[in-house]
Amino acid sequence: QSVLTQPPSVSAAPGQKVTISCSGTSSDIGNNYVSWYQQLPETAPKLLIYDNTQRPSAIPDRFSGSKSGTSATLGITGLQTGDEADYYCATWDSSLSVVVFGGGTKLSVL
Amino acid sequence: EVQLVESGGGLVEPGGSLRLSCAASGFSFTIAWMNWVRQTPGKGLEWVGRSRSISDGGTSDYAAPVKGRFTISRDDSKNTLFLQMNSLKTEDTAIYYCTTFRYSSGWFADTWGRGTLVTVSS
Repeated sequence: QSVLTQPPSVSAAPGQKVTISCSGTSSDIGNNYVSWYQQLPETAPKLLIYDNTQRPSAIPDRFSGSKSGTSATLGITGLQTGDEADYYCATWDSSLSVVVFGGGTKLSVL
Repeated sequence: EVQLVESGGGLVEPGGSLRLSCAASGFSFTIAWMNWVRQTPGKGLEWVGRSRSISDGGTSDYAAPVKGRFTISRDDSKNTLFLQMNSLKTEDTAIYYCTTFRYSSGWFADTWGRGTLVTVSS
């Protein structure tokens, strides 16, 4: 069982917008910054968002991140079939002094 | 080009040992903190541990399930990170990824290797 809670799956049509939630506690998300990773089928994860809201230069602005309290959200606009992937949130747990991941969310673009 | 290449995975019996390597290139490995992250086939990501740079003490931290059995080390002269895995259990079966461990306002892994598969089975 993962420390951070994500919905197992989300879906939306091409061109639409989707959000993926990541819920934690005051020990992890509540007092630390969140990063998000995209894992396309049969590939290694790739960094999408860091420091809650920041995008690496190669990541398009269709991807956005936000955080409020003990929850974080990944937003994807203008959905494309190539966005079908598993998405993971992650942060530091200050109480356990470990990195914690969410269980992952499978995005389907129907 | 920033690159991480893992090697050393394979099939090992329960109770056995295995040593993974991660060859780094394209960035200053000597000042980099590094991670190992694993992924059970068909399941999510799990942090294994991290290695501080030598200049920051060179020590390592571990997740509870592997503490006392796994050891992370590094050879900065060869830009290589290692994961020594002892007393392996079937539940250690996973793809093992080597990643950078960057810190801005928070930590994040901005570079990932392709991973190496470890199978623990009799």
